[in-house]
Amino acid sequence: DAKTTQPNSMESNEEEPVHLPCNHSTISGTDYIHWYRQLPSQGPEYVIHGLTSNVNNRMASLAIAEDRKSSTLILHRATLRDAAVYYCILSSYFGNEKLTFGTGTRLTIIP
Amino acid sequence: NAGVTQTPKFQVLKTGQSMTLQCAQDMNHEYMSWYRQDPGMGLRLIHYSVGAGITDQGEVPNGYNVSRSTTEDFPLRLLSAAPSQTSVYFCASRRRTENTEAFFGQGTRLTVV
Repeated sequence: DAKTTQPNSMESNEEEPVHLPCNHSTISGTDYIHWYRQLPSQGPEYVIHGLTSNVNNRMASLAIAEDRKSSTLILHRATLRDAAVYYCILSSYFGNEKLTFGTGTRLTIIP
Repeated sequence: NAGVTQTPKFQVLKTGQSMTLQCAQDMNHEYMSWYRQDPGMGLRLIHYSVGAGITDQGEVPNGYNVSRSTTEDFPLRLLSAAPSQTSVYFCASRRRTENTEAFFGQGTRLTVV
């Protein structure tokens, strides 16, 4: 499976935008980029995913580099409830029955 | 819509005991999987299934058995519990097509003493 690299931790002020980076230099053409987050004492929850184009949903935006070797999860206006560990995961179009988690980025929101 | 339901939420076992962690989903998802999460770590895949009657090993399968007799249920069996199996266990399900999101249960916190 192709690997992803994320910073161990980040801090952001409440009500400010947050940009969470992810490097995936060995991504293949059939790999989707998924983001999940895990709130304290909860199971992971889906945030967003994309293949080539930037994506928006009610939770966040996903910006994908033109060469697809990196991506950025954007939380437009962080709240205290966004404090979580964020995981960037590659999921192949073929054989996507399992997800491989790294250690993720622990996001701290400062009131 | 219940999603993915795991039982029990908490369990304490003695070394050598066996038990089954239950996982059920009501979304008719083909894919189901079990993960464990140790303190400060990401999730590691134990076993997964692509459909009823089909299972395969993940990254850390030793000491665990699974079976999938129905689409809805995917139990995880600890054969002879060891302190190293103290962890939080998560079950997940996902639709086979469209590379869509996975849904996770709330977890089972297992302590082996």
